[in-house]
Amino acid sequence: AQSVTQLDSHVSVSEGTPVLLRCNYSSSYSPSLFWYVQHPNKGLQLLLKYTSAATLVKGINGFEAEFKKSETSFHLTKPSAHMSDAAEYFCVVSLRGAGNMLTFGGGTRLMVKP
Amino acid sequence: DGGITQSPKYLFRKEGQNVTLSCEQNLNHDAMYWYRQDPGQGLRLIYYSQIVNDFQKGDIAEGYSVSREKKESFPLTVTSAQKNPTAFYLCASSVDRSVDGYTFGSGTRLTVV
Repeated sequence: AQSVTQLDSHVSVSEGTPVLLRCNYSSSYSPSLFWYVQHPNKGLQLLLKYTSAATLVKGINGFEAEFKKSETSFHLTKPSAHMSDAAEYFCVVSLRGAGNMLTFGGGTRLMVKP
Repeated sequence: DGGITQSPKYLFRKEGQNVTLSCEQNLNHDAMYWYRQDPGQGLRLIYYSQIVNDFQKGDIAEGYSVSREKKESFPLTVTSAQKNPTAFYLCASSVDRSVDGYTFGSGTRLTVV
């Protein structure tokens, strides 16, 4: 079975400071991992994905994530938060060979203070 | 531009009524999905379809029904049997057996009045 845990339901940062959103996964096989962002009353937009190539993945809007197999983690980071980054972020795992079904984490709401 | 379209954006339903949410994609994706999202919660899978004329129940299928008569369309009906239908509904699609993730629609907010 696979699962994904987002360790913080809410994260608050000041504008211009670093962002860290934590995600741990469990999977018996080598997973594909994704981060999605959702702004209020909108659909989900893909930020970045890991599919067994480089372990440091760069995404849109300055976000990046590092796949650490030994720690079963896929934390999302950004060096400097912008007010427009305030949104809900979802860590997602896909088990290869399982028909492309995705398992979603519970989400982390990022708040950015001026 | 290719994409996935959900309509309407807002929908109000009286208790006891069935309502149908539309989801259309022009991405030529094989698989389509319906999720329900409640405030402060993650996404829960209602139904999914990997090919035309076939669909499978997800984790919370009770009170919902779907059809997949065309590759581009995957409408969701919220029936009167769904006791708590007020939620945000998201439709998604993907290339079957791909690791590219899903493309999401912009959602439909359903409110029971």
